[in-house]
Amino acid sequence: KNQVEQSPQSLIILEGKNCTLQCNYTVSPFSNLRWYKQDTGRGPVSLTIMTFSENTKSNGRYTATLDADTKQSSLHITASQLSDSASYICVVDLNNAGNMLTFGGGTRLMVKP
Amino acid sequence: GAGVSQSPSNKVTEKGKDVELRCDPISGHTALYWYRQRLGQGLEFLIYFQGNSAPDKSGLPSDRFSAERTGESVSTLTIQRTQQEDSAVYLCASSFQGALNEQFFGPGTRLTVL
Repeated sequence: KNQVEQSPQSLIILEGKNCTLQCNYTVSPFSNLRWYKQDTGRGPVSLTIMTFSENTKSNGRYTATLDADTKQSSLHITASQLSDSASYICVVDLNNAGNMLTFGGGTRLMVKP
Repeated sequence: GAGVSQSPSNKVTEKGKDVELRCDPISGHTALYWYRQRLGQGLEFLIYFQGNSAPDKSGLPSDRFSAERTGESVSTLTIQRTQQEDSAVYLCASSFQGALNEQFFGPGTRLTVL
C-alpha cells in the first residue's frame, strides 16, 4: 500500500478559480515533504519543500501547508491559469539524502478556459 | 545545457533485447538518481549515486537492471533481456548533496518493449 495518498486523482476547474489538492501520508518520521509539478511528457519540477517543523510555504500562486499531527499536506493554487494543467505530486523524504523519497500517485489537474 | 538531459527521449525495443539509457546531470551535482514511472503511476526509486558510487541499489527490480556513473557526471542505466513490464518512463534527477537536497529532473526516456 502506498504510504503517500493523494486526492482527488483528477480535477477539472475553470481558469481563474482556486483549488486545493490533498496529500495524506503514513510515513513517519520524515525529514521533509515536497510538492512537484509534472507537465505531460516532462520531468517533475519542484514547487515547495517543507521541513517537518514548517507549516506553510508559498511559491507564487502555489501555497503548501503541512500538519504533522494529522499527517496531512495540501497544495492550494490561486487564480488558476491554463498552464497550471499538469500532475501535482506529493513526496515525503525520509532522510534528506534523496534516496528515500516516497512518491504519491499524483493529482491530474486540468484548467479549462 | 543548464538542466538534466536524457537520451534517447523515446526507445522502442523488442522483448529480450538490451537497452542503455543515458543521463547527463547538471554540472557540479554530486548526487544522481534513477526512477521509473509506469503509466498513470507514481515514481519508483531505482538507484542513486553519490559521486561514482551507488550506496543504495535497493530499488533495482531485478538483476537485469544495472547502472553506472563515471567522472561524477554521466550515468547509464542498462536493462538486459527486456520484458514487456519494463515499459515505462525512466527519469533521472541530480542534486547537490546538502540540506534539503532539491532534485532536478530530466525529461525522461520513454521505453516501450514490444
